[in-house]
Amino acid sequence: GENVEQHPSTLSVQEGDSAVIKCTYSDSASNYFPWYKQELGKGPQLIIDIRSNVGEKKDQRIAVTLNKTAKHFSLHITETQPEDSAVYFCAASPGSARQLTFGSGTQLTVLP
Amino acid sequence: GAVVSQHPSWVICKSGTSVKIECRSLDFQATTMFWYRQFPKQSLMLMATSNEGSKATYEQGVEKDKFLINHASLTLSTLTVTSAHPEDSSFYICSATGQGMVAKNIQYFGAGTRLSVL
Repeated sequence: GENVEQHPSTLSVQEGDSAVIKCTYSDSASNYFPWYKQELGKGPQLIIDIRSNVGEKKDQRIAVTLNKTAKHFSLHITETQPEDSAVYFCAASPGSARQLTFGSGTQLTVLP
Repeated sequence: GAVVSQHPSWVICKSGTSVKIECRSLDFQATTMFWYRQFPKQSLMLMATSNEGSKATYEQGVEKDKFLINHASLTLSTLTVTSAHPEDSSFYICSATGQGMVAKNIQYFGAGTRLSVL
C-alpha cells in the first residue's frame, strides 16, 4: 500500500518568514495530493491540493509543488502569520480508490 | 460549499454503554464517507470506508462489531461505538466525498468528536 513520509515533525519560524514542509510517497499510482491544516481540537481543513498532471499550484500565500519522478511534494507558506500556527498534514491518494494516506503531520509555530 | 457537520463535538460516557456519532454532508451528496481515529499528536488512522447503501469496509485491525457504521442516505453516516471502554477514548473524525463539482474526489472533514469513556 501507499506510504507517506512527512518532514519536519516540528517547524518554528519568525512571523513574515517562509515555511516549507516536505512529503514523499511510495505508490506511483497516486495522483492526488491534498494538504490539510488542523487546529487544536478541530477537524482537518483542506487548504490546497494538486493533481499529478500539474507541477505547481498557488493560492495567495500558499503553494504546493509536485515532483512525480522523485515522488515528493512540498507545501510552501510565504509571509507567515501567527494564525498559520497549526498542524499540517500531507496526504496521497490513487484517486479512483478515494482513500487518503496521511503523513505524520508537522506542527508549525509562527513566532510573533 | 462542501460543509460536513459532525455531532456531537464532545461526549462523555460510562464504560459499557454505546455512543452514536453522526456525520452529515450539508450541501452535497456524499457517495462515500470515511471514519478516522486520531490519538493525541498523531496522524489520522482510517477506520472504515462506507458507501451509501452498502456495508462499510473496515481497515485491518478495526473490529466491525465494536464500531458499527451505517450510511443509509447520501447525506448521513453514523458511527456507533458499542460497549465502550476507556481504551476507546479518542478523537473520531468523519470525512465525505461525492460526485458534485465541489466535492468530487476531495475529502471534506467534520470537526471531530472527542469521546471520553469513564
